[in-house]
Amino acid sequence: DVVMTQTPVSLSVAIGQPASISCKSSQSLVGTSGKTYLNWLLQRPGQSPKRLIYLVSKLDSGIPDRFSGSGSETDFTLKISRVEADDLGVYYCLQGTHFPTFGAGTKLELK
Amino acid sequence: QVQLQQSGAELAKPGSSVKISCKASGYTFTSYYISWIKQTTGQGLEYIGYINTGSGGTNYNEKFKGKATLTVDKSSSTAFMQLSSLTPDDSAVYYCAVTTGAYWGQGTLVTVSS
Repeated sequence: DVVMTQTPVSLSVAIGQPASISCKSSQSLVGTSGKTYLNWLLQRPGQSPKRLIYLVSKLDSGIPDRFSGSGSETDFTLKISRVEADDLGVYYCLQGTHFPTFGAGTKLELK
Repeated sequence: QVQLQQSGAELAKPGSSVKISCKASGYTFTSYYISWIKQTTGQGLEYIGYINTGSGGTNYNEKFKGKATLTVDKSSSTAFMQLSSLTPDDSAVYYCAVTTGAYWGQGTLVTVSS
């Protein structure tokens, strides 16, 4: 199985400040098609997860451009340029190149 | 719009089985595979497996082979997951999602207790 190591486990950020979450995979996530199937999801309290970013850096419809994704091969990052109150929750990375696996999650709290 | 509507909460006894449904709407059912994901209370997300909604072919996490059985009914655009030989460790919220992760059901709480 591909292990997704996500850091930090938790993050306390003030409104308007940036945040960054790392996700490292135990194998390359570049698929045979040349695409990298790395997603970022947000699960707000009491809700289902919601996809924010797919294919490393593509924003889903309706996701503000405060969110950005980057990385390649085994090393990926989600950045929020200016945290807002609506951003709190648990962020997960999810790889779909191999049998899908999730990172353990990063809880974003407001300072 | 795309929606995945899951069946309601289940209370089951140890050793029994439950079958959860996930009804899709707003898109052509066979356009996406359907995945199933387990989330225990306060814990992260664990992939159970996915099903090809066109062919019925499945792929399971080794951990859930023998525990979960995935099926579909194309006529009703519904995917199903049966969990068998239930133990308290199977108590969790179970989600269905299209395999791209773009759309998720609301989750079904399964509680296993005598």
